Amino acid sequence: AQSVTQPDIHITVSEGASLELRCNYSYGATPYLFWYVQSPGQGLQLLLKYFSGDTLVQGIKGFEAEFKRSQSSFNLRKPSVHWSDAAEYFCAVGLNYGGATNKLIFGTGTLLAVQP
Amino acid sequence: DVKVTQSSRYLVKRTGEKVFLECVQDMDHENMFWYRQDPGLGLRLIYFSYDVKMKEKGDIPEGYSVSREKKERFSLILESASTNQTSMYLCASTPTVATGRDTEAFFGQGTRLTVV
Repeated sequence: AQSVTQPDIHITVSEGASLELRCNYSYGATPYLFWYVQSPGQGLQLLLKYFSGDTLVQGIKGFEAEFKRSQSSFNLRKPSVHWSDAAEYFCAVGLNYGGATNKLIFGTGTLLAVQP
Repeated sequence: DVKVTQSSRYLVKRTGEKVFLECVQDMDHENMFWYRQDPGLGLRLIYFSYDVKMKEKGDIPEGYSVSREKKERFSLILESASTNQTSMYLCASTPTVATGRDTEAFFGQGTRLTVV
């Protein structure tokens, strides 16, 4: 069955430090991969997405993610974290249904805290 | 801008009540989804619809039903609310595109439902 695993439930980093959030997926076909962020009391905002091509994807707010097929991973990175990055981050895989990519399966999320 | 609007941000209902959660999108998207979000469990798919009057069960459909009479509106129905349905409910929509083409899900702000 298709699944997405985010092994880190909570992560705390210092402001200015680098960040890597892990995501592993299980899916037989070519995956479509997404990272969403949810700030407290807010809806989900798309950070970045991978469909094909270059395996290093740039997103908003200085985030990037690298697709590694051999490791079934799509880890999110940021070189220098800002206090405003404190939020919950969700990795998701898009599944083909009826010939279109339109069904998302989410991981359980990683809650990021940023220390001053 | 794509807009997905959920009718209520907060809702308090009594056990046994019939509850309707409404979602409207204004981008003519074919696909609409209902998720529930619980701490430590991420987003879990309840139901989705890929066309008017069409619906498919997601991963946790028990206790829920849906209605899609018009393309822009997707309703989630709790036939007899129970306390274990207290949760954050998120609606999303996506367009139908050819496999391999770019797409993403757009989310509403969420409805926090409390069943007492």
